[in-house]
Amino acid sequence: QVQLQESGPGLVRPSQTLSLTCTVSGDSISSAGIYWNWIRQFPGKGLEWIGYIFYTGSTHYNPSLKSRILISMDTSQNQFSLKLSSVTAADTAVYFCARGYELEYWGQGALVTVSS
Amino acid sequence: DIQMTQSPSTLSASVGDRVTITCRASQSISDWLAWYQQKPGKAPKLLIYKASGLQRGVPSRFSGRGSGTEFTLTISSLQPDDSATYYCQQYHDYRTFGPGTKVEIK
Repeated sequence: QVQLQESGPGLVRPSQTLSLTCTVSGDSISSAGIYWNWIRQFPGKGLEWIGYIFYTGSTHYNPSLKSRILISMDTSQNQFSLKLSSVTAADTAVYFCARGYELEYWGQGALVTVSS
Repeated sequence: DIQMTQSPSTLSASVGDRVTITCRASQSISDWLAWYQQKPGKAPKLLIYKASGLQRGVPSRFSGRGSGTEFTLTISSLQPDDSATYYCQQYHDYRTFGPGTKVEIK
């Protein structure tokens, strides 16, 4: 059974970099043809796709966030990560990682609050 | 970028009712549309992919239709466990979610 688990700081200061890691079990992040995504959900419940990393390491980002995002993968740890720079209060959200072109497996989510 | 809208925003129906949610895209997305169900405090769950494909393990009372710019999700006989918020999402160009439809049981 595929499981994903987000981890990282729950509080980030404004202008700093938000860093989250998604640990995958039950599958290899090197599995052919698989996409590994980051999505966030704002307090008002709207969902926003952040980007994905393909099993080859190629990435595809939401154009509205592209200048601030870096998604990377660590095959030795079976993890992929998100870095979002220059955060503001507007980046406060629950951050989810998810597997697939269609998002068929999700982590439970990690609340990240941006506040001084 | 492609914008998604959903109607209604809230729906209240009785157990056994047939329920339909509509999702519209600002431009044609062919059939690159998915539907998700989300319950409070949980991650969204994939119900339908490619507009009408039923995800493994999802009850057959859920069905999806449409192509181009207009899509529907139908629950043929509403059950108490179906109380949730439903989101559509296009994946024709990047990915964009609709604002959600909250389904309540009367």
